[in-house]
Amino acid sequence: DAKTTQPTSMDCAEGRAANLPCNHSTISGNEYVYWYRQIHSQGPQYIIHGLKNNETNEMASLIITEDRKSSTLILPHATLRDTAVYYCIVRVGYTNAGKSTFGDGTTLTVKP
Amino acid sequence: DTAVSQTPKYLVTQMGNDKSIKCEQNLGHDTMYWYKQDSKKFLKIMFSYNNKELIINETVPNRFSPKSPDKAHLNLHINSLELGDSAVYFCASSPLTVMNTEAFFGQGTRLTVV
Repeated sequence: DAKTTQPTSMDCAEGRAANLPCNHSTISGNEYVYWYRQIHSQGPQYIIHGLKNNETNEMASLIITEDRKSSTLILPHATLRDTAVYYCIVRVGYTNAGKSTFGDGTTLTVKP
Repeated sequence: DTAVSQTPKYLVTQMGNDKSIKCEQNLGHDTMYWYKQDSKKFLKIMFSYNNKELIINETVPNRFSPKSPDKAHLNLHINSLELGDSAVYFCASSPLTVMNTEAFFGQGTRLTVV
């Protein structure tokens, strides 16, 4: 699985969009980008994933650059409850579902 | 209903003891996992079971032994506990047969070895 690099921490004002970047310059053609988050003292929670097209669901949007070497997770209207550690993971899907080791992640703090 | 449930939530025990953590999922998933999150918050996979068969064992000491009585359960037994085993252990499950889907995690078991 490709290695990812994320900023250690970010702040965001409540109600504003939170943009969390992730670099994965060694990503392979068959590897997907996954995002999870972990709210304090809870288990990781799936957010979104994508291969090369931008994706959107009820929680967030995922923007993947054309060369697929980086991506951005967007929380359109951050709330205080979005304060968590956000993990960007790159892995081959299907047989490796859930296999990956999570990196250090980005600690997002949403402030009132 | 909780999708992936672990028991106990907290476990404090002395060095050298043997303990078990239980995990159950009611999602009908084929694959279950155990992850360890250490004090630095680094989350690392330990085991993966698919339909009661071990498919991943990531350089975990043999004091750790996963046991899967059926597809919905994956228990983690730890022998001769050491101080370094103190961590939060997460159970997870995923539908292996579904392409590129997410894993669902339990709430974790905080193990403290004293």
